[in-house]
Amino acid sequence: AQSVTQLGSHVSVSEGALVLLRCNYSSSVPPYLFWYVQYPNQGLQLLLKYTSAATLVKGINGFEAEFKKSETSFHLTKPSAHMSDAAEYFCAVRNTGGFKTIFGAGTRLFVKA
Amino acid sequence: GAGVSQSPRYKVTKRGQDVALRCDPISGHVSLYWYRQALGQGPEFLTYFNYEAQQDKSGLPNDRFSAERPEGSISTLTIQRTEQRDSAMYRCASSSSGGAGGLETQYFGPGTRLLVL
Repeated sequence: AQSVTQLGSHVSVSEGALVLLRCNYSSSVPPYLFWYVQYPNQGLQLLLKYTSAATLVKGINGFEAEFKKSETSFHLTKPSAHMSDAAEYFCAVRNTGGFKTIFGAGTRLFVKA
Repeated sequence: GAGVSQSPRYKVTKRGQDVALRCDPISGHVSLYWYRQALGQGPEFLTYFNYEAQQDKSGLPNDRFSAERPEGSISTLTIQRTEQRDSAMYRCASSSSGGAGGLETQYFGPGTRLLVL
């Protein structure tokens, strides 16, 4: 069975600091991996996705994530946090050839001025 | 439309009543998904449609939950005899391609927040 673990339900960084949101997955087959962002009162928006083309994936708003098979990780990073990055972030996994996407519990990012 | 829309945005009902939640996907999108999101949790898959065909309903919690998409566009998620534990945000998503694959981007609606008293 697939699963996703996001370490840390809340992360707080200063504006301009590095953002690191951790995600570990479990999957018996090569997965597709996703990061979504959710702003208040809005739907989830895709940030980036890993589909086996390249292990380092670049997304919108300056975010990127690296797929590390040996560590079963797909951590999300951004070199310099901006106030507008404050939101909730969800990591998700999906089997190749499947319909079901499994989401982590989410990490709320706070950005301090 | 410009994006996925859902109605109502908020629904308060009494225990035992039936509710119907509507999802209007992006025009032309083949795939439609329903998710439930409890407070402090990520979305939980409920069911998937490819056009009008319900191809996966393994996430529906019990037989009080049902969904349909009769013309391959608008979908309705119905919860019969609601219980307090059904209180959650119900989200709909659509994507342009159909079938199993996983590559297509899902576009999410704003959700319907259901409160069962």
